[in-house]
This record gives sequence, C-alpha cells and structure tokens, in this order.
Amino acid sequence: NAGVTQTPKFRILKIGQSMTLQCTQDMNHNYMYWYRQDPGMGLKLIYYSVGAGITDKGEVPNGYNVSRSTTEDFPLRLELAAPSQTSVYFCASSLTQGSKNIQYFGAGTRLSVL
Amino acid sequence: AQTVTQSQPEMSVQEAETVTLSCTYDTSESDYYLFWYKQPPSRQMILVIRQEAYKQQNATENRFSVNFQKAAKSFSLKISDSQLGDAAMYFCAYRSYFTNAGKSTFGDGTTLTVKP
Repeated sequence: NAGVTQTPKFRILKIGQSMTLQCTQDMNHNYMYWYRQDPGMGLKLIYYSVGAGITDKGEVPNGYNVSRSTTEDFPLRLELAAPSQTSVYFCASSLTQGSKNIQYFGAGTRLSVL
Repeated sequence: AQTVTQSQPEMSVQEAETVTLSCTYDTSESDYYLFWYKQPPSRQMILVIRQEAYKQQNATENRFSVNFQKAAKSFSLKISDSQLGDAAMYFCAYRSYFTNAGKSTFGDGTTLTVKP
C-alpha cells in the first residue's frame, strides 16, 4: 500500500526559481491538503481540495498555487521561491470529514531556498 | 478560528515511566475531533489517538490514553511504560466535525525525550 507519496524528498532552490512539489495518493480519497512545517513549529495549512477541480486557500497560501485535475494528484507550485519558503512540506489526504476521517500524511519534502 | 496550544515545548521521561503531554484548545463549536500525532525523526506524521468530542469516555490505544476535559477545553496525552521508540515530537490537532472540509489546526508540538 503506497498511501500518500511525495516527491522529491529534498530540494534546494535559488531565490526566484520555481518548482512543483508532487503529491499523489492511491486511496481514492476526495480530500487532500498541503501543510508546511517550520522548525520547531506545528503544521500550517497552505491549500486544500475537497475533490477534483476544487481547491481553496488555507492559512498561509501566499506564494503558492495548487491544482487538482485528478482525484489522485495534488501538486503544489512555488512560482518565485523566497527564503521564507524554506520549510518542510507535507501532503495529506482523507476520505471524508466524518467521524472516521483520518488524515494520512506523506513523508514530507524538505525545501531550502538560498 | 480555532487555536491549539501546547504549553510544553520539551518533556523528558525515564524509560518505563509515565509522562503526560498537555494540550488546550479554543473553539466555539460543540462537535469536533481531537488528535495526537507523533512525528519521529523520520518526519513521518503518525496518528497516535483520536477523540470525538461527543464521547465522554476517554480514548485509549494500548499504552496511550487521553484525558479529555471538554468544559476545560483540555486534551492531554498520557504515555504509560514509556519506551525509547516513543521519543518524538508530539502534536495535538483539532478538527471541526461538520465544517472546514476536514482541515486540522495543529499545536506547535512537544518534543519528548525518553531516557534509558
């Protein structure tokens, strides 16, 4: 069972570069999320999606974009990387928002912007 | 908006002893879920235990149990018979029952050290 898969695991970017963090899940979950985790802190929600074609902003969306063309994939795009975007990024998915809803997390992508 | 506060940035426990991690939250909602996640050095987020707010009985998962005090908006995690493998960062999280598309609000975490 693959679960939630994130690529790459590590990346170093120069200021102003762009990149896409990939996230895919094979559990047919309708909800997907992107979080960032700064050192010593909890997770902050960047964007989320309740289904293919539907996305919405979380707490800290500035500097990021997302798309959800399929149920499985939810890529996160950084257009003009800034040092403030140095963080660990987690993708997660869940089936419903009901009582058995559990968020399954990917292993994370560590991004450094220099 | 909901907030989650973990007032203990770091905790330590002797192997085989018991430790309690604190979490408080603020919400105006009556139906919600609370979670404890473990994040070991591998950074993988692992669900430890969850509690439905409408349930009075405290959740238990093997050596992990919670003390859920709804009126006080408190949700502490007790780890019994601590093991070296329990060393990790622990996050408390809140999720609305009906709204917010399953989004979670996380505390800033507590780093747990287990001493042999």
